[in-house]
Amino acid sequence: QVQLVQSGAEVKKPGASVRVSCKASGYTFTNYGIGWVRQAPGQGLEWMGWINGIANYAQKLQGRVTMTTDTSTSTAYMDLRSLRSDDTAVYYCARQERVSAAHDYWGQGTLVTVSS
Amino acid sequence: SYELTQPLSVSVALGQTARITCGGNHIGGKNVHWYQQRPGQAPVLVIYRDSNRPSGIPERFSGSNSGNTATLTISRAQGGDEAEYYCHVWDTYTEIFGPGTRVTVL
Repeated sequence: QVQLVQSGAEVKKPGASVRVSCKASGYTFTNYGIGWVRQAPGQGLEWMGWINGIANYAQKLQGRVTMTTDTSTSTAYMDLRSLRSDDTAVYYCARQERVSAAHDYWGQGTLVTVSS
Repeated sequence: SYELTQPLSVSVALGQTARITCGGNHIGGKNVHWYQQRPGQAPVLVIYRDSNRPSGIPERFSGSNSGNTATLTISRAQGGDEAEYYCHVWDTYTEIFGPGTRVTVL
């Protein structure tokens, strides 16, 4: 069965960086993209970007976010730099259908807390 | 930039039908996906490409899309359908989520 397992919760200080990993199993990793979505406390879903061979990022995160994949381990990574308090959120990875961009399987989420 | 609108909340009586709308300019020309998110859980895809149900999603969930409005319909609503529902589209290398609709089953 398809599974996406994310790394554990993180607490970071403002200005620091964070890496969230997302290990995929149960399907051919290279046949799908990986999207990243975050959700601030009590807020809605915010698209961050996707990677499907090449990466595409939300304009508001350009310059602070990098998404990569390691096909040898079927793992995707999301790096976010220069963290601010408003980056505090649950970060989700999701398998992404290439044609329609639907996110059909999601990771469990990773809470990133940015606090001094 | 492209924007989506959703009602803040929808209430439905147990066993009745709930309709959740997602408004956007010429949204009928785009693929619309819908997600259900229960509190404390990750989103779940319930409708993709306007009207298709993933395996495991009950037939009670259906979708349509035309003109400037896409609609998610929940028939014979159950208590387990109480959740936040988000629409989602892809537009020119950008993805947009709607603001979400809270569905309450009375």
